[in-house]
Amino acid sequence: NAGVTQTPKFQVLKTGQSMTLQCAQDMNHNSMYWYRQDPGMGLRLIYYSASEGTTDKGEVPNGYNVSRLNKREFSLRLESAAPSQTSVYFCASQHSQGRELFFGEGSRLTVL
Amino acid sequence: GDSVTQMEGPVTLSEEAFLTINCTYTATGYPSLFWYVQYPGEGLQLLLKATKADDKGSNKGFEATYRKETTSFHLEKGSVQVSDSAVYFCAPAGGTSYGKLTFGQGTILTVHP
Repeated sequence: NAGVTQTPKFQVLKTGQSMTLQCAQDMNHNSMYWYRQDPGMGLRLIYYSASEGTTDKGEVPNGYNVSRLNKREFSLRLESAAPSQTSVYFCASQHSQGRELFFGEGSRLTVL
Repeated sequence: GDSVTQMEGPVTLSEEAFLTINCTYTATGYPSLFWYVQYPGEGLQLLLKATKADDKGSNKGFEATYRKETTSFHLEKGSVQVSDSAVYFCAPAGGTSYGKLTFGQGTILTVHP
């Protein structure tokens, strides 16, 4: 019973490098989300996908891009990493809007 | 958009003490309300929820009542345990956010033996 799976769990990048965080859910959920968590800031929404084929910006989208590859998968890409993007990233899925979110275990990213 | 204000932490309690973590929200319509818990090094887990006014959500000894008139969803537990040490997040899913959850900043709870 995997739920929401994120990879990688840990990553260290140098400033300017690019990388993609992968997320997959096996619950046949329609909506998927990417959040970042920073000390004292709670969770902030980066991008979301209300349904397959659609993506929208959240609260803090600058420096990120996303792809909803299919109903199961939603990836987050950092094209040119900056130290300000050092954070813990969480992917989440939701059956439909207004319902509870199911979270992955998180990906800890450090940008040097 | 929707917003939520949580009780500032950190909160430190002794085992078996009574816990209240306050949460008030701003949202249009009749949002669903959620409490999530995050244990150290883990992702967020749903703790409890309420979907309409006066509903009481409960789980693992925690309770919260959806108070439409005061736009509040305070979390309570009668007797906390060391294993309850975690970060707690309140989150409405309301009309102006089109059903997306809006998270508070989280309240760190530490319970000492």
